[in-house]
Amino acid sequence: DAGVIQSPRHEVTEMGQEVTLRCKPISGHNSLFWYRQTMMRGLELLIYFNNNVPIDDSGMPEDRFSAKMPNASFSTLKIQPSEPRDSAVYFCASSLSNSGGTDTQYFGPGTRLTVL
Amino acid sequence: QKEVEQDPGPLSVPEGAIVSLNCTYSNSAFQYFMWYRQYSRKGPELLMYTYSSGNKEDGRFTAQVDKSSKYISLFIRDSQPSDSATYLCAMTLGSNFGNEKLTFGTGTRLTIIP
Repeated sequence: DAGVIQSPRHEVTEMGQEVTLRCKPISGHNSLFWYRQTMMRGLELLIYFNNNVPIDDSGMPEDRFSAKMPNASFSTLKIQPSEPRDSAVYFCASSLSNSGGTDTQYFGPGTRLTVL
Repeated sequence: QKEVEQDPGPLSVPEGAIVSLNCTYSNSAFQYFMWYRQYSRKGPELLMYTYSSGNKEDGRFTAQVDKSSKYISLFIRDSQPSDSATYLCAMTLGSNFGNEKLTFGTGTRLTIIP
């Protein structure tokens, strides 16, 4: 299995530009998570989907951030307009969730975003 | 105050030493406690998890949970250079942590010196 695939691996952009991060979960997984990791705040959950439906977006910092999951094999996280404080590593994770299960979340390699 | 506190380190120890990594938390409702290992430029991977209070051992790794003190630990015996990584603690309110929010500590960067 290829694992969770994220693209791009690195993104450098200028303040005000739109940024789109992409994620392909592990085939057959039905939950998908977007996290952001910074030195100061650590790893924080932004939003997660179950069966393509957003379940909890309380971690999305503000309206500049949006996430979609149009089908079971693809998700995007968009930042518009981007700001320097958005610079971080963004991780996507997926899992196979079932009632009473304890399956783990499998993380992708991350996208390192730098906003100048 | 963050819900989960973890000393960021860095922590450097000689090969073969016993390593102790710790987290404290404030939410007494947390039920499952996990340790993730993250190598440089990689995503976190689950090392082990523990339910409620007690110990769990997996090879050279032992996880301890003390719910009365809201304190969890990870011990690494006979540490190896390949153990050099950032270790993150994480917690959940329920058991279905494939489908619920993980609350992470900030991570402790560990280096094992050959």
